[in-house]
Amino acid sequence: DTEVTQTPKHLVMGMTNKKSLKCEQHMGHRAMYWYKQKAKKPPELMFVYSYEKLSINESVPSRFSPECPNSSLLNLHLHALQPEDSALYLCASSGEDSLNTGELFFGEGSRLTVL
Amino acid sequence: KNEVEQSPQNLTAQEGEFITINCSYSVGISALHWLQQHPGGGIVSLFMLSSGKKKHGRLIATINIQEKHSSLHITASHPRDSAVYICAVSKYGNKLVFGAGTILRVKS
Repeated sequence: DTEVTQTPKHLVMGMTNKKSLKCEQHMGHRAMYWYKQKAKKPPELMFVYSYEKLSINESVPSRFSPECPNSSLLNLHLHALQPEDSALYLCASSGEDSLNTGELFFGEGSRLTVL
Repeated sequence: KNEVEQSPQNLTAQEGEFITINCSYSVGISALHWLQQHPGGGIVSLFMLSSGKKKHGRLIATINIQEKHSSLHITASHPRDSAVYICAVSKYGNKLVFGAGTILRVKS
């Protein structure tokens, strides 16, 4: 199984809602990533988890809260988002350690619209 | 100046043509990645390379570490190759730096 599965594929939420994005992989990868991608732009790194510990937070606002319950799962909890947070949120995983980014496996993304 | 520069930004080709996309970078890297993204979709890793050349089907990727340059070639291009091709470099510490992407359209 070489898939990274993201749910939901599409999410529409109001600015006062609380929702979560989920990501799952069963490749035994120890590094997992959240990226944000705006239209016609490259992905921007948000968070990196290595061995289930948060290793990189790219100064992301606290309305985004990551969680890694176990080595296969990665969540992104969303609360009090702004319309400018509307974007494609991509999860990725790799088999490398915290020092090097190995080959990345991306999910299909969750397209978020904040009204 | 961006750490990763791609050219061209946009490329239109006729089916069957040989295509080259270039990537130059200005930082020390452990590896270079070529990624493909179809409209509205997720990203697929095409190649990860740190030296030499790799081939997969009609795709070939090369890297010259001394010149800090990589190329992605597509032979016998097909409309299904139409996508955004992204060059990204691995810096130490789990950071991937992305180029702006090359939008490829292959016409039949």
